[in-house]
Amino acid sequence: GQNIDQPTEMTATEGAIVQINCTYQTSGFNGLFWYQQHAGEAPTFLSYNVLDGLEEKGRFSSFLSRSKGYSYLLLKELQMKDSASYLCAPMDSNYQLIWGAGTKLIIKP
Amino acid sequence: GAVVSQHPSRVICKSGTSVKIECRSLDFQATTMFWYRQFPKQSLMLMATSNEGSKATYEQGVEKDKFLINHASLTLSTLTVTSAHPEDSSFYICSARGTGEIQPQHFGDGTRLSIL
Repeated sequence: GQNIDQPTEMTATEGAIVQINCTYQTSGFNGLFWYQQHAGEAPTFLSYNVLDGLEEKGRFSSFLSRSKGYSYLLLKELQMKDSASYLCAPMDSNYQLIWGAGTKLIIKP
Repeated sequence: GAVVSQHPSRVICKSGTSVKIECRSLDFQATTMFWYRQFPKQSLMLMATSNEGSKATYEQGVEKDKFLINHASLTLSTLTVTSAHPEDSSFYICSARGTGEIQPQHFGDGTRLSIL
């Protein structure tokens, strides 16, 4: 079957760094997307990884290891507005995104 | 770029009413559009995938006669919830993807549907 494993909830302090881990199992693999979803809003696209390694985009970076079925999202210099759910969504062989429940990130002052 | 507009943002109506939700890609051609529903604190649930000019592909358990999807152009898809009942109350979100399968999906702002 296909599944995604992310922590349900994480708490971090404003200005700090947090790493959100994701392990996945899919039927085939065409890359992995990370999305941010604020409460009551639709998801917004953050990053896409298809090759192993780290992709950096401003305060956010995403890492992928295909052999381990593992990815993480790294958020630096945390701001209060970063409080949201972060969704790890791998793409399977049918080009379908597989969605989990995401990780709710709570930022404290 | 990659803006998707979804209307209306909120609907409150009586049981038995049919509700139409529009999803438009404003600055790109969306060859594929997706319709999701999401219950509080749960993951996105894909309802159907539609390609421009062809019939939508519905996920298992989604009634195609109840959730009518039309994707008449490369920039517009509509979802009509027919004869809505309280159990249809949910957050409905569309997304659009440009040409090529390995493209990010860009989401509309969602429609919060409340059936009284």
